Amino acid sequence: AQKVTQAQTEISVVEKEDVTLDCVYETRDTTYYLFWYKQPPSGELVFLIRRNSFDEQNEISGRYSWNFQKSTSSFNFTITASQVVDSAVYFCALSEAKSGSARQLTFGSGTQLTVLP
Amino acid sequence: EAQVTQNPRYLITVTGKKLTVTCSQNMNHEYMSWYRQDPGLGLRQIYYSMNVEVTDKGDVPEGYKVSRKEKRNFPLILESPSPNQTSLYFCASGTVPDSNQPQHFGDGTRLSIL
Repeated sequence: AQKVTQAQTEISVVEKEDVTLDCVYETRDTTYYLFWYKQPPSGELVFLIRRNSFDEQNEISGRYSWNFQKSTSSFNFTITASQVVDSAVYFCALSEAKSGSARQLTFGSGTQLTVLP
Repeated sequence: EAQVTQNPRYLITVTGKKLTVTCSQNMNHEYMSWYRQDPGLGLRQIYYSMNVEVTDKGDVPEGYKVSRKEKRNFPLILESPSPNQTSLYFCASGTVPDSNQPQHFGDGTRLSIL
């Protein structure tokens, strides 16, 4: 069975600090997808990134970067020079690609990030 | 605009009074799904549907029903709601087979069962 662990329940940083959100996953499949979603205080889920298991290239998008390491089953998310607007709950999620469940997402429990001014 | 629409956004009701949360998508997606979000547990899948008239249980289906009579709609039915179903609910849709496009989520429905 697949599992996603976000060990950090809450993180507080001061604006402009860098912060890394950890995500560790478990799956028996060789083909799978990893995701990060942001949930701001307004409650909606905002898609940030999707990675497939064959693509271990790290990705950078503005102040956001993601480090995917299959050897440690981790998909960590770093925000550089954090801003107050980054305050949100961040979810890591996994979906396995086997037929019939390609869309079934397993979410971690989320990390509440608070960026203080 | 591509969207997943859930109604109502907020509902307070009482134990045992049947309720339906509607979900509609305008992207012609085959796949639709319901999740509930609870503190410390993240989102957990309730039911999903791979296409019209095809539904399957997710991880926490007890106490819920769904139907998929039309491609665009996937209502979530609580026949006899109980307080432990107080939660934030999300509907999502996506393509099948899987593609590079992520699932689209609705804005959520906050249910309080007294």
